[in-house]
Amino acid sequence: KQEVTQIPAALSVPEGENLVLNCSFTDSAIYNLQWFRQDPGKGLTSLLLIQSSQREQTSGRLNASLDKSSGRSTLYIAASQPGDSATYLCAVSSGGSNYKLTFGKGTLLTVNP
Amino acid sequence: DAGVIQSPRHEVTEMGQEVTLRCKPISGHNSLFWYRQTMMRGLELLIYFNNNVPIDDSGMPEDRFSAKMPNASFSTLKIQPSEPRDSAVYFCASRTAGLTYEQYFGPGTRLTVT
Repeated sequence: KQEVTQIPAALSVPEGENLVLNCSFTDSAIYNLQWFRQDPGKGLTSLLLIQSSQREQTSGRLNASLDKSSGRSTLYIAASQPGDSATYLCAVSSGGSNYKLTFGKGTLLTVNP
Repeated sequence: DAGVIQSPRHEVTEMGQEVTLRCKPISGHNSLFWYRQTMMRGLELLIYFNNNVPIDDSGMPEDRFSAKMPNASFSTLKIQPSEPRDSAVYFCASRTAGLTYEQYFGPGTRLTVT
């Protein structure tokens, strides 16, 4: 059974700092990995999706990497801003299916002005 | 594109009542998912439809839960009878077949059963 762990559970940084969020998964036979952002009381916004054959994806100040063999992914946020404050969730599709997402519990990020 | 639409956004009901949650997927998407989010268990997949057909309902917690997708633009998740432990945020997501299989989530329905 796939298990996804996100460390740390919460992170507080000053504005402008670069930061890294971590995600690990137990079964390396994944189809893809998605990073989401969730604002309080809101739905999930997809940030980046990495296919199992890819090593990284970039969007603006965000860069996500994937190391399938070690079961790890990182989300790098450059020059953090208060508007980046949210919960960041990592999810993997695995188990022979391309649809069944297993989510981590998330990292609550607070960027202080 | 309006995104995935869910209604109601908030629902408060008494134990034993029937609850119906609604979802309109993104036009053109052929797959639809219902998820439940709680503090204890995080986000869990309840059921997956492909081309309006339920493919995987292994996440549906018990017979009190049922889901339907009568057409490509509408789905319901029904709980009957509701119990306090059903209190959670229920999300609907959709996607289209393609290289990425990226899922797009709705804003969720916050259900409180008293």
